[in-house]
Amino acid sequence: EAQVTQNPRYLITVTGKKLTVTCSQNMNHEYMSWYRQDPGLGLRQIYYSMNVEVTDKGDVPEGYKVSRKEKRNFPLILESPSPNQTSLYFCASSPSGRPAETQYFGPGTRLLVL
Amino acid sequence: GENVEQHPSTLSVQEGDSAVIKCTYSDSASNYFPWYKQELGKGPQLIIDIRSNVGEKKDQRIAVTLNKTAKHFSLHITETQPEDSAVYFCAARGQGGKLIFGQGTELSVKP
Repeated sequence: EAQVTQNPRYLITVTGKKLTVTCSQNMNHEYMSWYRQDPGLGLRQIYYSMNVEVTDKGDVPEGYKVSRKEKRNFPLILESPSPNQTSLYFCASSPSGRPAETQYFGPGTRLLVL
Repeated sequence: GENVEQHPSTLSVQEGDSAVIKCTYSDSASNYFPWYKQELGKGPQLIIDIRSNVGEKKDQRIAVTLNKTAKHFSLHITETQPEDSAVYFCAARGQGGKLIFGQGTELSVKP
């Protein structure tokens, strides 16, 4: 089944404890992206990647890192999480290298930072 | 900067009625306008999109209209059903190709 998977789906952590949220797609998509969803703010892009080894900042990149060593994986890294990073996170992928063709979203990761 | 405003934030309708969600964008160079539906506990899913060379597009009970002059576009759902209950997001692709999302509308269809 063609899909975007994220792990974990739920995560509770404490301030400063490094964490990684994994994202994987099995559709051979070139473009991948991370968003955070907050009430009243919609979806805001954190980072995106047009292809392997190519990443760039979105609108809210502070406090996050990403890497794209393989086409299918695009992990999101929080080196030192803070409470303001408590949010619902979505990974998305798109067939072409252009960012705004149809995006396929993962199921989301709900993160609570205490 | 580029911005998309979406209204209303919540919408409640009776089953069988129509629902309309409106979005306004700021970047006049925007040329692609998708709508996503997010069901509870799931990621957003594309339901319909429209490009700037078209004024209206319809797919069964859903339709999208675009007014480039006024820089706004709308989602219309007719004959609403309980399974239409979800959060809906509009988006606009601006300069540089980035998708900017609206704030979302929580639609509730009461049986």
